[in-house]
Amino acid sequence: EVQLVESGGGLIQPGGSLRLSCAASGFTVSSDYMTWVRQAPGKGLEWVSVIYSGGSTYYADSVKGRFTISRDNSKNTLYLQMNSLRAEDTAVYYCARSPYCINGVCYFRWYFDYWGQGTLVTVSS
Amino acid sequence: QSVLTQPPSVSAAPGQKVTISCSGSSSNIGNNYVSWYQQLPGTAPKLLIYEDNKRPSGIPDRFSGSRSGTSATLGITGLQTGDEADYYCGTWDSGLSPGGVFGGGTKLTVL
Repeated sequence: EVQLVESGGGLIQPGGSLRLSCAASGFTVSSDYMTWVRQAPGKGLEWVSVIYSGGSTYYADSVKGRFTISRDNSKNTLYLQMNSLRAEDTAVYYCARSPYCINGVCYFRWYFDYWGQGTLVTVSS
Repeated sequence: QSVLTQPPSVSAAPGQKVTISCSGSSSNIGNNYVSWYQQLPGTAPKLLIYEDNKRPSGIPDRFSGSRSGTSATLGITGLQTGDEADYYCGTWDSGLSPGGVFGGGTKLTVL
């Protein structure tokens, strides 16, 4: 069974740093595309970052240069290192999977079939 | 301001049909598949439709999707009170700053 479990959220002061983790089970994070999506309180979904199976990464303009997505294949875990945090980064952060290969057919699939439960990051003094 | 445009809210009576639109541009919907997500209060989003019109296992055929040009549509028939939720469209944007994009979300009220 595929499962994603985020952790690492909490209250952090503006300018601070935080690292989120997303522990995966039931599949291999390095074989698929892994994404972070966030949702500010009462707001809609915002795409944050993706890491491809091949290792390429992309970021939303709002976090470029401050956030870094990575993965640890040995731990089957996805990370989001967040630096220079701002009040507008306050949100629930979800990790999500985009399958790359299904039944041996591999191509860029941009949809999220599994999501974690989310972890809340609050940036406030 | 979201890259994809959705109506903030739609409503219909139980048993009726509703459609939710999602408008984009040539760099996103015009050239990439669209997916749709349902988010019940206090829960993570759930995949409803992928690659424009495909349903994951377990999603009833009351839910349907389509894409034409730079717009996409989610249809829900036989509305149930349990369908009350926020609905989001999403796709990839291949423009100058490539990345994922979502619509602003549509709140469905089943009267």
